[in-house]
Amino acid sequence: QVQLVQSGAEVKKPGSSVTVSCKASGGTFNRFGFSWVRQAPGQGLEWMGGIIPVFRSTDYAQKFQDRVSITTDESSTTSYMELSSLRSEDTATYFCARIPPHCSSTTCYYDFWGQGTLVTVSS
Amino acid sequence: DIQMTQSPSSLSASLGDRVTITCQASQDIRNYLIWYQQKPGKAPKLLIYDASILETGVPSRFSGGGSGTHFTLVISRLQPEDIATYYCQHYDNLPPTFGQGTRVEIK
Repeated sequence: QVQLVQSGAEVKKPGSSVTVSCKASGGTFNRFGFSWVRQAPGQGLEWMGGIIPVFRSTDYAQKFQDRVSITTDESSTTSYMELSSLRSEDTATYFCARIPPHCSSTTCYYDFWGQGTLVTVSS
Repeated sequence: DIQMTQSPSSLSASLGDRVTITCQASQDIRNYLIWYQQKPGKAPKLLIYDASILETGVPSRFSGGGSGTHFTLVISRLQPEDIATYYCQHYDNLPPTFGQGTRVEIK
């Protein structure tokens, strides 16, 4: 069974950056990708971007294009999402999710999710 | 971007009731539609993909249908553990977008 375990909660100042990690266990790691989705308090889900290492493919939502970077480590077992120039509106829970191995695009369904990481941006 | 509109935003139903949630896409997304269930403080859980395919382990009282621009999620007999918010999401093209969610409560 695939498990995605994310790094812990963060409190950041406006203008700073945050990096959230997502470590996968179970499954064949280098065959699947990761997507990142965020959820502001009491709000809905918002896709930020995704990566499929085996295809060297990374996509970002235009809204975050200039501020987000999604990467994986060399073994493709851990994904990282870095968001820069933080503002109060970035306060949210950030989720990573698995893109199944048969998907060749970041536009796919997400079958396993991390537990979420709360990022609070406050001065 | 494709807009996904869910209705209703919330509903209250009795245990054992049949519950229907609809999701409308602003353009044709073929059958590239997903339904997730999210309980408070938890990550979303995949219920249905490709509009009608039940994810492994999801109870058969959940079903999905539709294609093109109009889709439905049906819970045939509402159970206490179904209390959650349900989201649709398309994956026809970039960026994938979500509906605003439908909160399901017990009457």
